Amino acid sequence: EDQVTQSPEALRLQEGESSSLNCSYTVSGLRGLFWYRQDPGKGPEFLFTLYSAGEEKEKERLKATLTKKESFLHITAPKPEDSATYLCAVDDTGNQFYFGTGTSLTVIP
Amino acid sequence: DSGVTQTPKHLITATGQRVTLRCSPRSGDLSVYWYQQSLDQGLQFLIQYYNGEERAKGNILERFSAQQFPDLHSELNLSSLELGDSALYFCASSVGGRRGEQFFGPGTRLTVL
Repeated sequence: EDQVTQSPEALRLQEGESSSLNCSYTVSGLRGLFWYRQDPGKGPEFLFTLYSAGEEKEKERLKATLTKKESFLHITAPKPEDSATYLCAVDDTGNQFYFGTGTSLTVIP
Repeated sequence: DSGVTQTPKHLITATGQRVTLRCSPRSGDLSVYWYQQSLDQGLQFLIQYYNGEERAKGNILERFSAQQFPDLHSELNLSSLELGDSALYFCASSVGGRRGEQFFGPGTRLTVL
């Protein structure tokens, strides 16, 4: 069964402590992989799109990378305002779109 | 503010009833998507419309239906409501038909009693 799995479910970091979030996927064919940020009670906010293995995208303290079976969201020197749930989504060649259940990130001052 | 508007913000209704959720996409966006987010199942893709036509269908129940009108706004109709339909319903929009960068609305919280 096609699916998107994110790990860890929750992550607590000290301010300035870098780390990575993982998104692994098992779809028949990948058209695109997306990262979104969601704050409590709000709609997800688009961060990145990755289309092929080896691709990387950066935005401020965030960097997303993609391999054939997984993607990583690297957070460098996080700040408390980076606290949110980070969602990974996959668009597959079967015309389906799957979201992972997210990683809840808390950055402690 | 993403530019996507959804009404109503909150909706409380009873089992067996029917409700309609409304979404206005960002100006210029031709695609509209509907999602359901519940605590136990995360964000589930329901359906996508592109310029008035159904483009892709996800885990949408037969009791649910949607449409996109000529002015590009969309409505999601939920009927024969069950307790398990209680969730946040999000609408998103994008410029093209390909499911790239999507802009999400603030959501409609549906409570079925």
